[in-house]
Amino acid sequence: GAGVSQSPSNKVTEKGKDVELRCDPISGHTALYWYRQRLGQGLEFLIYFQGNSAPDKSGLPSDRFSAERTGESVSTLTIQRTQQEDSAVYLCASSLAQRLAYEQYFGPGTRLTVT
Amino acid sequence: LAKTTQPISMDSYEGQEVNITCSHNNIATNDYITWYQQFPSQGPRFIIQGYKTKVTNEVASLFIPADRKSSTLSLPRVSLSDTAVYYCLVGSKGGNKLTFGTGTQLKVEL
Repeated sequence: GAGVSQSPSNKVTEKGKDVELRCDPISGHTALYWYRQRLGQGLEFLIYFQGNSAPDKSGLPSDRFSAERTGESVSTLTIQRTQQEDSAVYLCASSLAQRLAYEQYFGPGTRLTVT
Repeated sequence: LAKTTQPISMDSYEGQEVNITCSHNNIATNDYITWYQQFPSQGPRFIIQGYKTKVTNEVASLFIPADRKSSTLSLPRVSLSDTAVYYCLVGSKGGNKLTFGTGTQLKVEL
C-alpha cells in the first residue's frame, strides 16, 4: 500500500510569510508525528497526534508553529511569520496506535527554505 | 525523558561486522529501544526494536544488557549500501515523548 506522503517536497518562502505543510499518513495509522531536521542535525520532535485525543504540542518551538489533524487522516503543520531559522526538513511519520514509539513510517519530508 | 548518546561517526569496510552503541542512562521502565536508519534526502527507516536481552531480524541484531542503560546495534557483514546515519530512539508505549539520539554516521568503504 501507499506509504506516508508529504507535500510540497520543497518550499521556498520569504521571511515573514506563512507556510502550510501537509502530511498524508498510512491508512489505518492512528498515530501521527511531526519532526524537524536541520541540516546535518538529528531529528527534533515537534508534535504528536493519537486518534481523537488532544495533541501534545509541547515540542513546538514557538507559538508561530501550529498543527492540526482531521480525524485519523491528513495533518497540516503551519508556520506563521517564517524566520530563517525555520529552514529545515520537516518530516512526518505515522504508526499504528498499539505500536506507539515502535515502528514509525516516515514520509520523504518537506524541505523548507526561508530566504 | 530519556536522553541518548551515540558516537558521532564510525568507519568500516565491506564484509565487517559493525556495532553501534547507544547510552540511555535514564531509560524508564516502560521505554522501548528502537533503531532507525536514514539515507540522505530520505526519512528514517525502522531497523529493529527491543525491550531487553537480544533481538534479531533479517537486517540486524540488538543487544540490551540487564540494566538497560545502553544498547548495541549490530550490523553483520556491512556493504557500501549500509552507509547511512543510524539513530537510537527511546520511548514508552503509553507515552508520546520520543527522543532521537544524535545519530551515528556510518561510512562503509571497500
